[in-house]
Amino acid sequence: DAGVIQSPRHEVTEMGQEVTLRCKPISGHDYLFWYRQTMMRGLELLIYFNNNVPIDDSGMPEDRFSAKMPNASFSTLKIQPSEPRDSAVYFCASSAFGTSGSIVQFFGPGTRLTVL
Amino acid sequence: AQSVTQLDSQVPVFEEAPVELRCNYSSSVSVYLFWYVQYPNQGLQLLLKYLSGSTLVKGINGFEAEFNKSQTSFHLRKPSVHISDTAEYFCAVSARYSSASKIIFGSGTRLSIRP
Repeated sequence: DAGVIQSPRHEVTEMGQEVTLRCKPISGHDYLFWYRQTMMRGLELLIYFNNNVPIDDSGMPEDRFSAKMPNASFSTLKIQPSEPRDSAVYFCASSAFGTSGSIVQFFGPGTRLTVL
Repeated sequence: AQSVTQLDSQVPVFEEAPVELRCNYSSSVSVYLFWYVQYPNQGLQLLLKYLSGSTLVKGINGFEAEFNKSQTSFHLRKPSVHISDTAEYFCAVSARYSSASKIIFGSGTRLSIRP
């Protein structure tokens, strides 16, 4: 099993540019989560999907952020326009719900975003 | 709603010494509890989980945690730490029987091991 795959691993961009982060969840998982991690704010849940449908986007900081999940094997998090304060590590995680023991979230390696 | 409090932001320990990382939670419903570990420049990975049954849960790398319902705690312990245990540790809680599968993470405890 390849685990959760994220790309790119590192992204450096200039303020005002559009940034797209990508995630491939573990096959068979029906939940997908996007998190942001910074020193100041720790680990924050941005949005999560169930069966490709957004369930809770209350953590999305503002309209510059958007997320999509067009199918069960792919999701994107887009920032447009990007700002220096968006610099963080963005994690994608997936999980399956159904039987006891299957609600664990599996995290990807993260994308380190630097906005200059 | 659920919340998690990790009482220590940093814990320095000497190698081969025991360690306890503290975690308290708050919830109006029954919960599942987790400890995740994040090594430098990596994602989070599951260390152990409490779903039901025995309140003493054993995880990977020699860690264990005890669920204490009366004290609403889920402290993580290891009898003898190694340099390789240097990482950040996150306690997390999720509501039982919830179709939302949302996990609430604590603020993390940075464990640093001194030789």
